[in-house]
Amino acid sequence: DTAVSQTPKYLVTQMGNDKSIKCEQNLGHDTMYWYKQDSKKFLKIMFSYNNKELIINETVPNRFSPKSPDKAHLNLHINSLELGDSAVYFCASSQGRSPDSTQYFGPGTRLTVL
Amino acid sequence: SQQGEEDPQALSIQEGENATMNCSYKTSINNLQWYRQNSGRGLVHLILIRSNEREKHSGRLRVTLDTSKKSSSLLITASRAADTASYFCATVTGGGNKLTFGTGTQLKVEL
Repeated sequence: DTAVSQTPKYLVTQMGNDKSIKCEQNLGHDTMYWYKQDSKKFLKIMFSYNNKELIINETVPNRFSPKSPDKAHLNLHINSLELGDSAVYFCASSQGRSPDSTQYFGPGTRLTVL
Repeated sequence: SQQGEEDPQALSIQEGENATMNCSYKTSINNLQWYRQNSGRGLVHLILIRSNEREKHSGRLRVTLDTSKKSSSLLITASRAADTASYFCATVTGGGNKLTFGTGTQLKVEL
């Protein structure tokens, strides 16, 4: 009965490869997010989708492309991976996009680029 | 850019003691939220305080907000070893719900 799940949990890959991380939520929420947490534990939002529509797109290299096939899923595809992409990526979801909407986070995907 | 800075960066206390963490931010906010992150896990929402509120309680947690000083504090009373985690403040500005996180405080509660 996991609320927000991500796959894979760990991802180790070579520079230049293309990889995807998947996120699914079973909370019935309509808004989903991707965050990146760097090695110093600093968390920064990357993208947000509401009802499959992109509503937040921070200054992220266009090698990163989110895709939301439906409200319950938000995947993150990364092209031409670089060393600096190594981080933990968190998916989150909320019901609505009001300032008070509580965000529920997944367990994270630790990406290591060699 | 980073909105919140937390202080201290790390805190080590004995079980039963109180733990206080502070968060300062730079711009006007709609609300401020506190999250907990256990090692290797995702974030868990603890409490939200709106800009027109000064204090909120939830169980052993007490949050204060001083908008004139652009600062907030999280107090955990009667700490337990299970409270060992990183604690982050996050602010929301404007009408959306984009969270801007602080730098985090790493709390260690020893038996």
